[in-house]
Amino acid sequence: DARVTQTPRHKVTEMGQEVTMRCQPILGHNTVFWYRQTMMQGLELLAYFRNRAPLDDSGMPKDRFSAEMPDATLATLKIQPSEPRDSAVYFCASGPRAGGPTTFANTGELFFGEGSRLTVL
Amino acid sequence: AQSVSQHNHHVILSEAASLELGCNYSYGGTVNLFWYVQYPGQHLQLLLKYFSGDPLVKGIKGFEAEFIKSKFSFNLRKPSVQWSDTAEYFCAVNPYNQGGKLIFGQGTELSVKP
Repeated sequence: DARVTQTPRHKVTEMGQEVTMRCQPILGHNTVFWYRQTMMQGLELLAYFRNRAPLDDSGMPKDRFSAEMPDATLATLKIQPSEPRDSAVYFCASGPRAGGPTTFANTGELFFGEGSRLTVL
Repeated sequence: AQSVSQHNHHVILSEAASLELGCNYSYGGTVNLFWYVQYPGQHLQLLLKYFSGDPLVKGIKGFEAEFIKSKFSFNLRKPSVQWSDTAEYFCAVNPYNQGGKLIFGQGTELSVKP
C-alpha cells in the first residue's frame, strides 16, 4: 500500500534549536506539499513543489523556514531557529500527475502523511 | 480574496441523524473539489472528489456531495451518521492551472453521540 512517510512523528525541542522534518512522497507522484495545522489557523499551505521545483513558498516565514527537495524521494522542511509559535502538526502530502507521464497537469488530489507533531518549549 | 468557507465550525448530531456540511468557494474559474476527513489523531484522508460530469458524487462510507456551480457550493451529505463518523471534515478546492495546489476550508468538527 503506497503511502507518504514522514519523520519524525513527534518532536519536542527547545526554542532556538534547529528542526528538520522529512517526507518521502509516494513513488511516481510529482507534487509535494507542506501544510501546517494548528487549532487557531487550521490547515495552512507552507510550500509546494512540482517535479522537485519550488512553485510557491509564500506561506512560509522566510527568515526561519526553508523547504527543499534534494531528490524525487525526499522533501525536507527546516526551521532554524525554532520558536514556541511553531508548535503544530506539519503534514506532507504528495499528488499524482493527471494523465500520462508527459502531462504537467495535476488534479489537486493529495495523499497525506501522518504528520510530524512539533512542540517547541 | 480567493477562499474556501465552511459554514459550521462544530456540528453535534445523534446517531442516525442526517448530515449536511456546507462549503462555498470564491474562485471564478474551473475548479476541482474535494472533501477530506481527519479522524482524531490521524492524517487527512480523501472522502470524495469532483472533477467533472455528474455534479452529485458519491464517496466512501456513504457520503455524497453535490456541486452547484451557480452557487459556488460543494455541500457534503450523509443520510444517517454513525458514531464512527466523528471527525473533522475539510472542504478543499484546486483552482485549475495552479499546479495542483489545494486550498482548504477551516474545517468542521463533527461529533456524533451514540
